Amino acid sequence: EVHLVESGGGLVQPGRSLRLSCAASGFSFGDYAMHWVRQGPGKGLEWVSSISWNSDYIGYADSVKGRFTVSRDNAENSLYLQMSSLRPDDTALYYCAKDASTDYAYFDFWGQGALVTVSS
Amino acid sequence: SYTLTQPLSVSVALGQTARITCGGNNIGSKNVHWYQQKSGQAPVLVIYRDIYRPSGIPERFSGSNSGNTATLTISRAQAGDEADYHCHVWDSDTVVFGGGTKLTVL
Repeated sequence: EVHLVESGGGLVQPGRSLRLSCAASGFSFGDYAMHWVRQGPGKGLEWVSSISWNSDYIGYADSVKGRFTVSRDNAENSLYLQMSSLRPDDTALYYCAKDASTDYAYFDFWGQGALVTVSS
Repeated sequence: SYTLTQPLSVSVALGQTARITCGGNNIGSKNVHWYQQKSGQAPVLVIYRDIYRPSGIPERFSGSNSGNTATLTISRAQAGDEADYHCHVWDSDTVVFGGGTKLTVL
């Protein structure tokens, strides 16, 4: 059974940094692209970042480009999101999602999310 | 940038058919995926590549995509189908989500 467990969320002041992790199990992690999607309070889904199975292809939403960095460790079955220069509008529940393919297709499994609150 | 337009809300009587649309410029040329998100829960994939159902998703859920509109159809709607539904496409190597539609079963 596929499991994705996000961690590292919390309350952080504007301008500070935070690192999210996503621990994957139940599938061959290194064979699939992975993604971060966030959802602000009462809002819809917003794509944050994607990374291909071998990290060759990485993409970011314009709203986070230059501030967030996605990475993965296939040996550790883990996905990461390094967030810096955080702003109040980054406040959201951050989901880790598994792609159905090695590159970019659709999200067949999602974690339960990690809550990030950016506030002074 | 590419945008997807969904109605904010759709209502359906218990046992009837609900149709949730997702509009986009020539969306029929793209693969559209749909996610169901119940209150307080993570999204769940219900339709991928326009028309395909993942294992475990009831046959009552179906999809179509043509021209400028993709549609998620839920037949014989049940109370348990109440949720937000989000459409998703890829455009120029970026993910685009619709704004989401809240389905109410009356």
